[in-house]
Amino acid sequence: NAGVTQTPKFQVLKTGQSMTLQCAQDMNHNSMYWYRQDPGMGLRLIYYSASEGTTDKGEVPNGYNVSRLNKREFSLRLESAAPSQTSVYFCASSQRRGYEQYFGPGTRLTVT
Amino acid sequence: AQSVTQLDSQVPVFEEAPVELRCNYSSSVSVYLFWYVQYPNQGLQLLLKYLSGSTLVKGINGFEAEFNKSQTSFHLRKPSVHISDTAEYFCAPARLTFGEGTQLTVNP
Repeated sequence: NAGVTQTPKFQVLKTGQSMTLQCAQDMNHNSMYWYRQDPGMGLRLIYYSASEGTTDKGEVPNGYNVSRLNKREFSLRLESAAPSQTSVYFCASSQRRGYEQYFGPGTRLTVT
Repeated sequence: AQSVTQLDSQVPVFEEAPVELRCNYSSSVSVYLFWYVQYPNQGLQLLLKYLSGSTLVKGINGFEAEFNKSQTSFHLRKPSVHISDTAEYFCAPARLTFGEGTQLTVNP
């Protein structure tokens, strides 16, 4: 099992460009999450999907959109990237909301 | 709403010394509690979890944590650390809140 996979691993964008971060899990989990990690701020939840067909805002949703494409895949889109979105982005999944989470390796995004 | 406080942002220790990483949470309801570890340039992985039952929980790599409901704490301990334990550790009650992390650095 690959667990949780994320693509790409690294990305550099110019201000105003758009991109989609992809995430997939092969553990048949119901819930999936997107976090950003910034130095000294821990992990902050951007969006989550408690189950297929549902998505909800987390702590820092502004500037992002998500799509739960099917049970396996959960993508994060930046429509117009800003330097403040420079961060490391992690996708995670869990059997149900509130259960232990399994994390992907992360995407390191730089917006110039 | 839940919140979590990790009381130390950095903990330097010498190899083979004991260590305690402190975590307090605020909640008036029953909780699941987790500790995660993040090695450099990697994602987080589960270290241990408390769901119910015994308040002393054992995890991977010799770590353990004790759930104390009266003090709303879930401190992580290891009796003798190794260089390879150098990592960032996150306390996380359920419902998606993570602490800000504690960087554990084990020196020779």
